[in-house]
Amino acid sequence: NAGVTQTPKFQVLKTGQSMTLQCAQDMNHEYMSWYRQDPGMGLRLIHYSVGAGITDQGEVPNGYNVSRSTTEDFPLRLLSAAPSQTSVYFCASSPETVTYGYTFGSGTRLTVV
Amino acid sequence: EDQVTQSPEALRLQEGESSSLNCSYTVSGLRGLFWYRQDPGKGPEFLFTLYSAGEEKEKERLKATLTKKESFLHITAPKPEDSATYLCAVQATGSARQLTFGSGTQLTVLP
Repeated sequence: NAGVTQTPKFQVLKTGQSMTLQCAQDMNHEYMSWYRQDPGMGLRLIHYSVGAGITDQGEVPNGYNVSRSTTEDFPLRLLSAAPSQTSVYFCASSPETVTYGYTFGSGTRLTVV
Repeated sequence: EDQVTQSPEALRLQEGESSSLNCSYTVSGLRGLFWYRQDPGKGPEFLFTLYSAGEEKEKERLKATLTKKESFLHITAPKPEDSATYLCAVQATGSARQLTFGSGTQLTVLP
């Protein structure tokens, strides 16, 4: 049981490049979400999904796209990277009940130069 | 708009010196308040969920309490391995399981 797996762990992009951050969970969780973490600002929600085929925007969605074609996978796409997207990105999942909280991945540290 | 404020931003304790971390929140209706622990370079690790005022949860040296406006994470006789950043988050009713996080308290326990 691997939990939530994020790849890559580190990435450096040039301004204007695009890339996809991968997230996969093997716990059959319905709910998945993407957060970014910046110093002094806490975790902020980018996009989330309540099930396969259903996605919605969070607090800071601009510049990011998501899709959810399967229960297991929830990739985050950066369309045209900007220095303001330099951050640590976390994927999280949960079952229908929140009693046991959310399971987070180990994160992707992205630097845009 | 849901808001979560944590204090202090940083806290240094001597081993065995008990203290409390504060999480103040504003939410239209509280579905749950969460505490997480985050070690450097890792994702947050779930500690507790609290649902209603007066509720308390304990795990080893940690005890979380909840009132209508704030939550406290009490750390009794901490050890160096308790050093981490502690995050508080709230989920509002009708929020489709979204969480609003505070910026965290960085705890350092010195031997």
